Amino acid sequence: QKEVEQNSGPLSVPEGAIASLNCTYSDRGSQSFFWYRQYSGKSPELIMSIYSNGDKEDGRFTAQLNKASQYVSLLIRDSQPSDSATYLCAVGGSNYKLTFGKGTLLTVNP
Amino acid sequence: GAGVSQSPSNKVTEKGKDVELRCDPISGHTALYWYRQSLGQGLEFLIYFQGNSAPDKSGLPSDRFSAERTGGSVSTLTIQRTQQEDSAVYLCASSVGAFSSYNSPLHFGNGTRLTVT
Repeated sequence: QKEVEQNSGPLSVPEGAIASLNCTYSDRGSQSFFWYRQYSGKSPELIMSIYSNGDKEDGRFTAQLNKASQYVSLLIRDSQPSDSATYLCAVGGSNYKLTFGKGTLLTVNP
Repeated sequence: GAGVSQSPSNKVTEKGKDVELRCDPISGHTALYWYRQSLGQGLEFLIYFQGNSAPDKSGLPSDRFSAERTGGSVSTLTIQRTQQEDSAVYLCASSVGAFSSYNSPLHFGNGTRLTVT
């Protein structure tokens, strides 16, 4: 059973701080890693994808991947109240199935 | 262009009734997925269609669930003899190809919220 684990939170940070979201996965054969943001009552939207070890930066978002530790994280710099949402980690193997974590609820306080 | 379209957005049905949920993917997307999201839970994979290949139905929770995709485009998810545990948001997503390819992310529809009373 392939598993993706996330801390359910809620994670609460003040506006302007760095929010750090973490995810671990069980399948060592996993090849693709994604972070989705889901606002309450809305569908998930892709915010970051990462495929190789290291960091990938896009604006205020940085995804970090460590395949040896089976760990992927998302850092949000200068957090804004509009970043308040549930963040879903998704992991893909050599086939087409994405396995999602249960998500971490992030609250950014003004 | 238009995104993934799902209908209805909400469906309330009585236990034991059959329901049909519709998904219209983004034009040109060959891959189509159905996921289910229960309250406070992650997304549960249900079924995958890719082009004209046989679908992967391995995620369907019981034989009351079935899905088809006509003409490589619109998909219908059917739940027969609905049960209360079927209550969830059913999400459809499409992608240009298999998501594991670069630049082929999943695009989700807004979902159908199913409530079985």
